[in-house]
Amino acid sequence: DTEVTQTPKHLVMGMTNKKSLKCEQHMGHRAMYWYKQKAKKPPELMFVYSYEKLSINESVPSRFSPECPNSSLLNLHLHALQPEDSALYLCASAAVFKADNSALHFGNGTRLTVT
Amino acid sequence: SQQGEEDPQALSIQEGENATMNCSYKTSINNLQWYRQNSGRGLVHLILIRSNEREKHSGRLRVTLDTSKKSSSLLITASRAADTASYFCATEKGAQKLVFGQGTRLTINP
Repeated sequence: DTEVTQTPKHLVMGMTNKKSLKCEQHMGHRAMYWYKQKAKKPPELMFVYSYEKLSINESVPSRFSPECPNSSLLNLHLHALQPEDSALYLCASAAVFKADNSALHFGNGTRLTVT
Repeated sequence: SQQGEEDPQALSIQEGENATMNCSYKTSINNLQWYRQNSGRGLVHLILIRSNEREKHSGRLRVTLDTSKKSSSLLITASRAADTASYFCATEKGAQKLVFGQGTRLTINP
């Protein structure tokens, strides 16, 4: 089992819905990430938080809104999504976001389907 | 575009055989990482090799790095059915950005 917990595991939402994905880690990591992964493709970086501050936004559409309420929690708020946003959304954390110990710890993801 | 490119895209071998996957990258790196992903699950970190290292071992895994050729290989020895997964190399593209290669889908046949 992973030390990064993501909820829900599966989510089906309509294009007018508002929903949130949640991610939690208790390893004391100070860098947290959101990745998006389409079928048979590698994960693509969306956002990076460092010490609870947004440090990287990979030009993600504003219908995706990240939030880091504290050092253990990371949310991704979803609003007015499109069917092409259907994917596996992965959260990850790292002890540091740079240097030689930048291994990421991933959750098992939320499988999102937009109808 | 992705920093790392892997080949083969798919590999199918018999249980007990060795599996080798390759990763090429374009720019200089501080380190290169390998991850495994079982179907529908998150990625699991396997091994990190620094730019000043040429070879690293972890159990049945052997990773090599050739910075002159900008390439790395992952060897899994004595494969098992549980090794069936996708394998990704990853490199840093600027500070904080870990970028993944296209991946190799490995199937171990019993």
